[in-house]
Amino acid sequence: GDSVTQMEGPVTLSEEAFLTINCTYTATGYPSLFWYVQYPGEGLQLLLKATKADDKGSNKGFEATYRKETTSFHLEKGSVQVSDSAVYFCALTSTGRRALTFGSGTRLQVQP
Amino acid sequence: EAGVVQSPRYKIIEKKQPVAFWCNPISGHNTLYWYLQNLGQGPELLIRYENEEAVDDSQLPKDRFSAERLKGVDSTLKIQPAELGDSAVYLCASSLGSHPTEETQYFGPGTRLLVL
Repeated sequence: GDSVTQMEGPVTLSEEAFLTINCTYTATGYPSLFWYVQYPGEGLQLLLKATKADDKGSNKGFEATYRKETTSFHLEKGSVQVSDSAVYFCALTSTGRRALTFGSGTRLQVQP
Repeated sequence: EAGVVQSPRYKIIEKKQPVAFWCNPISGHNTLYWYLQNLGQGPELLIRYENEEAVDDSQLPKDRFSAERLKGVDSTLKIQPAELGDSAVYLCASSLGSHPTEETQYFGPGTRLLVL
């Protein structure tokens, strides 16, 4: 079945540091890939998405590229801010299952 | 535009009691999802509706969980009787449809359930 594996947290960075959160997946067919973010006390929000190989999703300075050859969708940001502190979830939908399959989440803590 | 609305936001009940959660999706969204999120984990699908039809309920524990989406708009998820292990956050999400061009899911704030 479909599955998503992402790096365990917490990830602790200083403000303006470079961020990478790794995500790899297993899926049937041609999945769409997503990053969702959950800020403290808030619901899940879509951060970015990519629907086919080599697409790059981007939003709020975050980027992720759909790499079919490595089945990966790593999240990156060049300079994190304290306000980026949250839990980040990698997820996918696949041809056979339109509901989201989520990874376990990675908590990011950015210190001033 | 209003987002996905869920109520209640918090619920505390004793084990063996019934409980119900309500969800109002974004207007015009035909597909509705209920997810369960345990502490420290990613959400997992319980049930997916296309309009009023449940098209994926394979992960719904049908001995105690039930759901309905009358008229293809609002939805209710019920647990009867609740068990200690049901303590979690119950998330509702909606999307325009299931086709890849309209599949982006928007989540409500969730209902946090505590079973004592």
